[in-house]
Amino acid sequence: GQSLEQPSEVTAVEGAIVQINCTYQTSGFYGLSWYQQHDGGAPTFLSYNALDGLEETGRFSSFLSRSDSYGYLLLQELQMKDSASYFCAVNGAGNKLTFGGGTRVLVKP
Amino acid sequence: DAGITQSPRYKITETGRQVTLMCHQTWSHSYMFWYRQDLGHGLRLIYYSAAADITDKGEVPDGYVVSRSKTENFPLTLESATRSQTSVYFCASSGPTDTYEQYFGPGTRLTVT
Repeated sequence: GQSLEQPSEVTAVEGAIVQINCTYQTSGFYGLSWYQQHDGGAPTFLSYNALDGLEETGRFSSFLSRSDSYGYLLLQELQMKDSASYFCAVNGAGNKLTFGGGTRVLVKP
Repeated sequence: DAGITQSPRYKITETGRQVTLMCHQTWSHSYMFWYRQDLGHGLRLIYYSAAADITDKGEVPDGYVVSRSKTENFPLTLESATRSQTSVYFCASSGPTDTYEQYFGPGTRLTVT
């Protein structure tokens, strides 16, 4: 089976940097994904790491260490619109996703 | 409409009734998925499909039935609804390339009374 752990909530001010950690235990691993979900909305894809290292997409970066079963999402230059829940998810066989419980990010002015 | 749509968006039903949630995508994506999200929690996979007429169970399939006779449609049926099935249901799809990325529909908020 799969299990993922991520913090439940993070609060930061506009312009700050937030790092959301994700550790996982899995029986089948193809990669680690991150999704953003605003309240009342649908999850939207942010990033995917199949190999160790850092992937950068604008203000967001994602990191993976397969040997440590660990990844993180880095949110830089926080904006109010970044207030949302962020989910890490393990990509498994058959393109299936197993999600963590989500981290609620609250950005304050 | 282009993309992935779900209907109805909101549904209230009674315990014991059968209810079907619809999902339609216009991209001809091979893979389709059904998730449920309970308040304040992550998403859990109910069923998925790799292609038309190919479906398989996910993490929480009990009480649900799916079919996929056409590539673009993936309905989810609750055979006899229970209060524990009150949830938000998301359908998703992923395509032939970059299959790691899933595209989610807007969700159906289901309440079982």
